[in-house]
Amino acid sequence: NAGVTQTPKFQVLKTGQSMTLQCAQDMNHEYMSWYRQDPGMGLRLIHYSVGAGITDQGEVPNGYNVSRSTTEDFPLRLLSAAPSQTSVYFCASSYRGYSGANVLTFGAGSRLTVL
Amino acid sequence: GQQVMQIPQYQHVQEGEDFTTYCNSSTTLSNIQWYKQRPGGHPVFLIQLVKSGEVKKQKRLTFQFGEAKKNSSLHITATQTTDVGTYFCAGLVTNTGNQFYFGTGTSLTVIP
Repeated sequence: NAGVTQTPKFQVLKTGQSMTLQCAQDMNHEYMSWYRQDPGMGLRLIHYSVGAGITDQGEVPNGYNVSRSTTEDFPLRLLSAAPSQTSVYFCASSYRGYSGANVLTFGAGSRLTVL
Repeated sequence: GQQVMQIPQYQHVQEGEDFTTYCNSSTTLSNIQWYKQRPGGHPVFLIQLVKSGEVKKQKRLTFQFGEAKKNSSLHITATQTTDVGTYFCAGLVTNTGNQFYFGTGTSLTVIP
């Protein structure tokens, strides 16, 4: 049981390049999400999904795309990287418990630098 | 804008001193969770509070959820070096479906 797996762990991009951050979970979690973490800003929600085929925007969705073709995978795409997207990205998933609340399990993070 | 605010941003304490971080929301929360992130690591779930006025304890950690379900606090008694890290609250805002809004975090340094 690997939990939430993110790849790559580190990436350096040039402005304008595109890339995909991969996220996979093996816990059969319905809910998956992407956060970015910046100093002094905490964790901000980029996009989330409540199940395969369903995605929605979070607080800071601009410049990012997501898709959810399977329950296990939730990739985050940067279409044209900008220096403002330099950050640490976390993927998180959860199982919707009986109380309706989602306890998040986070991946190890992906540190992205855009030059 | 940021819906969940957390203070202080940084806290340095001598080992053995107590520590408290506060979380405040501009809107009513369905529930609140607390996470701990060790330096260089990822957030790890600590606890969830659901009921108004709820208090939960985990060894030296005490968590409270306000009566109005708009604020919460985490108190650590007699800090240890293993408590070092950043503590985040995350509030589930009632009218936003499945969105958890994280606080800005409090970074705790424990001086031996």
